[in-house]
Amino acid sequence: DSGVTQTPKHLITATGQRVTLRCSPRSGDLSVYWYQQSLDQGLQFLIQYYNGEERAKGNILERFSAQQFPDLHSELNLSSLELGDSALYFCASSVGPSGVGEQFFGPGTRLTVL
Amino acid sequence: EDQVTQSPEALRLQEGESSSLNCSYTVSGLRGLFWYRQDPGKGPEFLFTLYSAGEEKEKERLKATLTKKESFLHITAPKPEDSATYLCAVRGGGSNYKLTFGKGTLLTVNP
Repeated sequence: DSGVTQTPKHLITATGQRVTLRCSPRSGDLSVYWYQQSLDQGLQFLIQYYNGEERAKGNILERFSAQQFPDLHSELNLSSLELGDSALYFCASSVGPSGVGEQFFGPGTRLTVL
Repeated sequence: EDQVTQSPEALRLQEGESSSLNCSYTVSGLRGLFWYRQDPGKGPEFLFTLYSAGEEKEKERLKATLTKKESFLHITAPKPEDSATYLCAVRGGGSNYKLTFGKGTLLTVNP
């Protein structure tokens, strides 16, 4: 158990809908990262937050957004969903802002868009 | 752009048969090379971080090594419970703190 929690575990929805994925980092970690994992692309970095502020952006679509709240939990919002958004979404956390050092991953949310 | 290539894509071993997994990388200013283990449907589990060429780290039957262009994950006398996908990732220099992952090596250890 990494100490990172994610909810829900599974999410099934329809095209065009909007969903919210939630992540709680390990105790004491201030950075949260979101990744998408699909069979053909592997693990792709989406976005990082540190202590409530956006720190780095990766291959995140404009239909996706995220935020980190004062209690350090983070939410990833996915809107206007398409079939191709079906994937595993992972949250990871680390202590500092720089990303140097280990990132610990949560169990993931499996999103299925029908 | 940082790139990570892992080989082989899949590896099947008999219990006790030692082998190595390869991770080749190109990165501008390496700030860390990371090995993770991932079981089906689960999150990656952190194994090792290596920072500089020549560095080695060990954990049970696993040993990770690093050169300027590649890293190896050596598995000594593997057991069936070592079966998993092993992922390699790098973090480069600059202001983007992302990890760039390879596509992984699927290891199967038969009893």
